[in-house]
Amino acid sequence: GAVVSQHPSRVICKSGTSVKIECRSLDFQATTMFWYRQFPKQSLMLMATSNEGSKATYEQGVEKDKFLINHASLTLSTLTVTSAHPEDSSFYICSARGSGGSNEQFFGPGTRLTVL
Amino acid sequence: GNSVTQMEGPVTLSEEAFLTINCTYTATGYPSLFWYVQYPGEGLQLLLKATKADDKGSNKGFEATYRKETTSFHLEKGSVQVSDSAVYFCALSEDAGGTSYGKLTFGQGTILTVHP
Repeated sequence: GAVVSQHPSRVICKSGTSVKIECRSLDFQATTMFWYRQFPKQSLMLMATSNEGSKATYEQGVEKDKFLINHASLTLSTLTVTSAHPEDSSFYICSARGSGGSNEQFFGPGTRLTVL
Repeated sequence: GNSVTQMEGPVTLSEEAFLTINCTYTATGYPSLFWYVQYPGEGLQLLLKATKADDKGSNKGFEATYRKETTSFHLEKGSVQVSDSAVYFCALSEDAGGTSYGKLTFGQGTILTVHP
């Protein structure tokens, strides 16, 4: 199956700093990528949908200036958490959907963000 | 809006036991239904899917039947193995065809642990 990677897998940062998380589709071109947030023992919550070359569409309640998403190429999308605070600590997961026939979403392994 | 409710875990079973994880949903349209599995340290993987009422999805010995009358999509396996230990997520998408094309709404996940 198609492979999606995320980098870094874990990051610890100080409050007030910005953190960038990368999501890459390794063996297919991803026209659409999705960013999710997962709290402990809770479900995945969709944050935003990004299409290559256009602005991301954010879900209600998600601050677009706080969570900057850039889908600059067909294999890379980045999520930047700006001025991070402890409440931003969470597990961030991306998924990618190809342009092929199945359009199935393929998920990355996730990034654990801890803000001190 | 759409929602998915799974039985609360964790679920602990002995090897070769029968597994059922309940999942019910609410949706305004005619959703496609999915089960995803997340093994330790890995991303979500699609386990099975069903696109219309009475469809049965199956994979790796797991089965789930799309029951419109009870708005359910319960996951079952006749004989679990230690290697089935993972987190299982029920999800729905309102886009037709079961292609995960659109947004996914997830349940909260159920942790399954299988002991030898």
